[in-house]
Amino acid sequence: DSGVTQTPKHLITATGQRVTLRCSPRSGDLSVYWYQQSLDQGLQFLIQYYNGEERAKGNILERFSAQQFPDLHSELNLSSLELGDSALYFCASSVGRGGELFFGEGSRLTVL
Amino acid sequence: AQSVTQLGSHLSVSEGALVLLRCNYSSSVPPYLFWYVQYPNQGLQLLLKYTTGATLVKGINGFEAEFKKSETSFHLTKPSAHMSDAAEYFCAVSGSGTNAGKSTFGDGTTLTVKP
Repeated sequence: DSGVTQTPKHLITATGQRVTLRCSPRSGDLSVYWYQQSLDQGLQFLIQYYNGEERAKGNILERFSAQQFPDLHSELNLSSLELGDSALYFCASSVGRGGELFFGEGSRLTVL
Repeated sequence: AQSVTQLGSHLSVSEGALVLLRCNYSSSVPPYLFWYVQYPNQGLQLLLKYTTGATLVKGINGFEAEFKKSETSFHLTKPSAHMSDAAEYFCAVSGSGTNAGKSTFGDGTTLTVKP
């Protein structure tokens, strides 16, 4: 158990819909990262927050947004969903702004 | 800028054989280097990490890796493969100190262990 909690574990939705993925980091970790894992693109970094502020942005689509709340949990919002958005979405946390990451078990999104 | 290249997307070894997973990195600053393992339907978990100090790093499950600055490599080895080692392995690099930030991952290498 990494201490990082992600919900929901599985989500099935239709194209055009919007979903929210939730992540609770390990106790004491200030950084939260979101990654997308798909068969064709591997593990792609989406975005990082540190203590509520956005710190780094990766290959995140404009249809996607995220935020980190004062209690340090984070949400990833995916809108106008397309078939290609079907993937595993991982949240990870770390103590500081870098270093080793602790991953949650992921949220598997299926867009039909 | 930083990047990671893992040589070979698949590796198949026999049980008891040497495991060698190759990783080369590029980084404009002194790097932190990591190996993660992902078992089916699970998240990634840390196998080992290099930050500073000794260049030979020992991790969990009998794995170790050696940081070679001159070769910009951080290859992962295990002397004797076990069936339970079958998984996907990811090498990652991040900046250190004031350059700390997001980790960049390689494309992963899937290890198959044959009985």
